[in-house]
Amino acid sequence: EPEVTQTPSHQVTQMGQEVILRCVPISNHLYFYWYRQILGQKVEFLVSFYNNEISEKSEIFDDQFSVERPDGSNFTLKIRSTKLEDSAMYFCASSEWQGNYGYTFGSGTRLTVV
Amino acid sequence: QQQVKQSPQSLIVQKGGIPIINCAYENTAFDYFPWYQQFPGKGPALLIAIRPDVSEKKEGRFTISFNKSAKQFSLHIMDSQPGDSATYFCAASGTGNQFYFGTGTSLTVIP
Repeated sequence: EPEVTQTPSHQVTQMGQEVILRCVPISNHLYFYWYRQILGQKVEFLVSFYNNEISEKSEIFDDQFSVERPDGSNFTLKIRSTKLEDSAMYFCASSEWQGNYGYTFGSGTRLTVV
Repeated sequence: QQQVKQSPQSLIVQKGGIPIINCAYENTAFDYFPWYQQFPGKGPALLIAIRPDVSEKKEGRFTISFNKSAKQFSLHIMDSQPGDSATYFCAASGTGNQFYFGTGTSLTVIP
């Protein structure tokens, strides 16, 4: 079964450092998403991406965050200057069609900011 | 504003029991209501989903009941097994791309 692959599975970084979280969406999917889940809390939408541009973003996705599809397979989330409160699980997801059907989530990257 | 409210926060049932998890939503524009199952260290996995044109959907041991007028939907797990022990999230979405998730229910099925 096709999977969304995320690397690394766990990243520890110092406050103020830049981090890049990487995702390889399912190959025929066209819509890409990032969500985050602070420990013990609900999953929260960050951003959706289609046709090389952001199609929707939440209030959480401020200027510290950016997304990119640097090549035909990877989808990245960059946090420019990490804060302690950025510590969370970050999930990438992809879907074949716009909207809400056929979303597949990756296993996540646990980001720990110290 | 919490778009989707989920209860209970945690649930413990005996094997063979029928845990029920409830969700309520505010936005009448929502038209897709999935349930996700999440095991520790894993991403949410789609379990079952419903659209508001039906009141019930069943897939295997999992059933969604949907009440459009009350803006509520629930997940029932028939003949629950220890392997069903996980966190369950309800979610809702409308015309946009994002899902609004509930706060999750930690289910423990005791053998």
